[in-house]
Amino acid sequence: SYELTQPPSVSVSPGQTASITCSGDKLGDKYAYWYQQKPGQSPVVVIYQDSKRPSGIPERFSGSKSGNTATLTISGTQAMDEADYYCQAWDSSTVVFGGGTKLTVL
Amino acid sequence: EVQLVESGGGLVQPGGSLRLSCAASGFTFSRYWMHWVRQAPGKGLVWVSRINSDGSSTTYADSVKGRFTISRDNAKNTVYLQMNSLRAEDTAVYYCATPAYSDAFDIWGQGTMVTVSS
Repeated sequence: SYELTQPPSVSVSPGQTASITCSGDKLGDKYAYWYQQKPGQSPVVVIYQDSKRPSGIPERFSGSKSGNTATLTISGTQAMDEADYYCQAWDSSTVVFGGGTKLTVL
Repeated sequence: EVQLVESGGGLVQPGGSLRLSCAASGFTFSRYWMHWVRQAPGKGLVWVSRINSDGSSTTYADSVKGRFTISRDNAKNTVYLQMNSLRAEDTAVYYCATPAYSDAFDIWGQGTMVTVSS
């Protein structure tokens, strides 16, 4: 079955740039999506179709892809950005999520 | 207000059944695919199932195929997940979600907890 691989954790200092990667076989041929989930809350999409930002998502969130690796970048990271982040892609007619990355802002 | 509200979760014994509901409001429910996604305690998101706008096409994750059935009633703006032969590993918060504004899951419910335990 298709898998997306994310680092379990990423740490960043406030104001610095955080990068979270997501890799998968032939991910370069698919769109990548990114979701933010804070404790006790439902996920929120922060990036769709590799690099598009939904209305209401701060500009400090950006997405990119190189080869089979997608990257979520948070510039000028704020304490409120501390959360779990999940990448997602479609594999045929099913949806696959990455294992998630816990972003710690310290 | 655009909203998805899940209900029907609870405690069930292994081998038992449960039906989850997800009521939609604030958007034209009948136009959109609907999905179920689950999250075991302390774990990541796992996609479960989807159904197309008129209910004629469904897809399931291998882990639930043959045990779970997704359906919808567009007159009631509600999508369902019938879960049979439940196992301990089905214990999770179950979310309904839909790609309403883009092709991402941009609307999520608050989730309903299902616990499978004796």
